[in-house]
Amino acid sequence: NIVLTQSPATLSVTPGESVSLSCRASQSISTSIHWYQQKSNESPRLLIKYASQSISGIPSRFSGSGSGTDFTLSINRVESEDFSIYYCQQSYSSLFTFGSGTKLEIK
Amino acid sequence: EVQLQESGPGLVKPSQSLSLTCSVTGYSITSNYWGWIRKFPGNKMEWMGYISYSGSTSYNPSLKSRISITRDTSKNQFFLQLNSVTTEDTATYYCARTGSSGFAYWGQGTLVTVSS
Repeated sequence: NIVLTQSPATLSVTPGESVSLSCRASQSISTSIHWYQQKSNESPRLLIKYASQSISGIPSRFSGSGSGTDFTLSINRVESEDFSIYYCQQSYSSLFTFGSGTKLEIK
Repeated sequence: EVQLQESGPGLVKPSQSLSLTCSVTGYSITSNYWGWIRKFPGNKMEWMGYISYSGSTSYNPSLKSRISITRDTSKNQFFLQLNSVTTEDTATYYCARTGSSGFAYWGQGTLVTVSS
């Protein structure tokens, strides 16, 4: 299984700050990583596909980067609606796996 | 617009089978891949498996002996059956349109509790 390790587990920030969330894969997965946002009592929402490709309807303050084993989701100037849990997920292997999530909370 | 909706019992007894239905509107399940994902208390997410446009299936090996995903193309629905459940199968279950480019469409999720 490809293990995805997300860090930090919790990130406390003030609205207006810019943040970077990390996802590290246990082996090289090229750019086969996708990022999701999950707000409380809602379904996950796809934010970024294939490490850096944008998704229609997602605000431009969300961006992704990385390849191989190290990936980053960046949020430029966090807004109040962004406080939620973020997951990475890989599709390099036919056994899809998710990271354990990073909770973005208000400081 | 693609929409997915899960339905099924919210409470299942240990050792029994969990059965859920995913009803899809706005897109035919004879195209693409359709899967099940669950989120445990504590936020861990697990991909369970999918059924393809042709009816072939792929399952998470950790569940392989207990899981079955089937479909009814006439109703545009697909189904999850998980046998011999334990309390560790308590989770929110989501159906989603699955693919190598991520899960773009999700149902709203349904909480299934395994308890006697």
